[in-house]
Amino acid sequence: DVKVTQSSRYLVKRTGEKVFLECVQDMDHENMFWYRQDPGLGLRLIYFSYDVKMKEKGDIPEGYSVSREKKERFSLILESASTNQTSMYLCASSFLEGSSPLHFGNGTRLTVT
Amino acid sequence: QKEVEQNSGPLSVPEGAIASLNCTYSDRGSQSFFWYRQYSGKSPELIMFIYSNGDKEDGRFTAQLNKASQYVSLLIRDSQPSDSATYLCAVNKYRSGGYQKVTFGTGTKLQVIP
Repeated sequence: DVKVTQSSRYLVKRTGEKVFLECVQDMDHENMFWYRQDPGLGLRLIYFSYDVKMKEKGDIPEGYSVSREKKERFSLILESASTNQTSMYLCASSFLEGSSPLHFGNGTRLTVT
Repeated sequence: QKEVEQNSGPLSVPEGAIASLNCTYSDRGSQSFFWYRQYSGKSPELIMFIYSNGDKEDGRFTAQLNKASQYVSLLIRDSQPSDSATYLCAVNKYRSGGYQKVTFGTGTKLQVIP
């Protein structure tokens, strides 16, 4: 069974802090994704990566960066957290084959005060 | 126009009835299509995927795809209260080399009334 693990279920940070969200998958998936989910807006893609050290911007990359130093780990970084980044963050992974479905982690509920 | 559109609902059906969930997409180059179920406070879980025109059945679930009409649907037969959740339609467009863009609709909330 695919396991995608996000390091924190809940996080509370202050405005201006640097925030790291970690995601690890154990299925040797090439692709990894970061989404945020907000009521009425659905899931929106922030960044994705299809290989180590490779990354592509999604639809809403502003204010975020990512790091993929190892195949199984994909980190989302909020350089200077702001209140409008309060959201549910979901990590997902999939095989390289184009029709491969995404498998999600349990999510991190981030609150920026 | 949104890339993936779903009626937000709620869609209410009585227990034992058929629930029909619909999704339209705008990019004709989309190649594979997924249905996810998301319970409140939980992450999405995959129910079905389809990439050829026609029907695909798995237990009580049937996915239908019509690429000419850019339309995907999910039928849930013999609906149960445990099926009450938000159903997300996702559309995948990919190119060689690994690029895979998966776009989600905002979801349809289904309520199954006992």
